[in-house]
Amino acid sequence: EVQLVESGGGLVQPGGSLRLSCAASEFIFSSYWMSWVRQAPGKGLEWVANIKQDGSEKYYVDSVKGRFTISRDNAKNSLYLQMNTLRAEDTAVYYCARGQVVGENWGQGTLVTVSS
Amino acid sequence: EIVMTQSPATLSVSPGERATLSCRASQSVSSNLAWYQQKPGQAPRLLIYGASTRATGIPARFSGSGSGTEFTLTISSLQSEDFALYYCQQYNHWPPWTFGQGTKVEIQ
Repeated sequence: EVQLVESGGGLVQPGGSLRLSCAASEFIFSSYWMSWVRQAPGKGLEWVANIKQDGSEKYYVDSVKGRFTISRDNAKNSLYLQMNTLRAEDTAVYYCARGQVVGENWGQGTLVTVSS
Repeated sequence: EIVMTQSPATLSVSPGERATLSCRASQSVSSNLAWYQQKPGQAPRLLIYGASTRATGIPARFSGSGSGTEFTLTISSLQSEDFALYYCQQYNHWPPWTFGQGTKVEIQ
């Protein structure tokens, strides 16, 4: 069974930084696009970013461009999201998901709270 | 950016009854439409992709239809575990993926 486990969330002040990780197992990680999707408290789903198998293509939602960076380490079966210059509106549960255009499998999410 | 609109916001249904959820796209997305189920405190789960193809392990009581701008998710006979939030998502014009705002299916 596909396993995706996010970590790295927490409380951070506005303007701060955080790095999320997603550990993947039970599938060939290097063969799949991977994505980050977030969900603000009590709100709907918002796609954040995705990355091609070899990291050569990356795409972002406009609201995080220039602040967030998606990356991966296929040797470690891991996906990352470096989040800089965080804002209150970035507060959300962040999910990693397997897939280029749909979320075939999802992790349980990690909560990021941006507050002073 | 394509805007996805789901209706109704809340659907009250009795167990065993049929539930019909709608999703409309602001422009054609062909058949590049997915449906997800999300229960409180859980991650979303992919139900349908390609507008009508059930994902692995999804019961046959879930069916999707539509193309272009109008889509429907039908749950033929609601089970207790089906009461949840449902989201549609288009992937015909990406980035970004865009989701509807969700339909909550609650027990009547």
